[in-house]
Amino acid sequence: GAVVSQHPSWVICKSGTSVKIECRSLDFQATTMFWYRQFPKQSLMLMATSNEGSKATYEQGVEKDKFLINHASLTLSTLTVTSAHPEDSSFYICSARNTGGEAFFGQGTRLTVV
Amino acid sequence: AQSVTQPDIHITVSEGASLELRCNYSYGATPYLFWYVQSPGQGLQLLLKYFSGDTLVQGIKGFEAEFKRSQSSFNLRKPSVHWSDAAEYFCAVVLMDSSYKLIFGSGTRLLVRP
Repeated sequence: GAVVSQHPSWVICKSGTSVKIECRSLDFQATTMFWYRQFPKQSLMLMATSNEGSKATYEQGVEKDKFLINHASLTLSTLTVTSAHPEDSSFYICSARNTGGEAFFGQGTRLTVV
Repeated sequence: AQSVTQPDIHITVSEGASLELRCNYSYGATPYLFWYVQSPGQGLQLLLKYFSGDTLVQGIKGFEAEFKRSQSSFNLRKPSVHWSDAAEYFCAVVLMDSSYKLIFGSGTRLLVRP
């Protein structure tokens, strides 16, 4: 089946620094990728929709200057958490949608800001 | 607004017993429906999906789900639960507008008694 690789799987960073998370579709082209955030014991909350070659569409309440998304190619989208603070600590998950409309998920990134 | 409801926050069943996880959706048209499973600290794995056609769909790991339009439900079932099925289960719906966003329910945590 289709594989989505998300890297890194976990990261610890100091408050005020920026962290980049990569999401790659390994065996299919994804014109659309999605970024989710998941707090402990909660569901996935959609942060933004990333379209190749265009600006991302952010959900209400998500700071676009805080969470920078770049979808530079049909197989790669990146999420950069800028000037991270402890409240940004969370589990971030990406998904990539194939031409059949099915979404495949990365393994997630556990971000801890200290 | 479109929504997905999983009324059970957690369910405990004995190993070997049958399982049914409930999912209701609120949507104007027939949506695309999914069930995902998430193990602790992991990404999501697709169990099964419903797009159209036969309302009883078979998935991986012995799971099945039945789409009932009259009840706006898409309940997940398994005739005999294994200890390895303990995880978080998410029902999701794709919004059939131009965004094709995947919206998740709040999740149901399954605990399996030995």
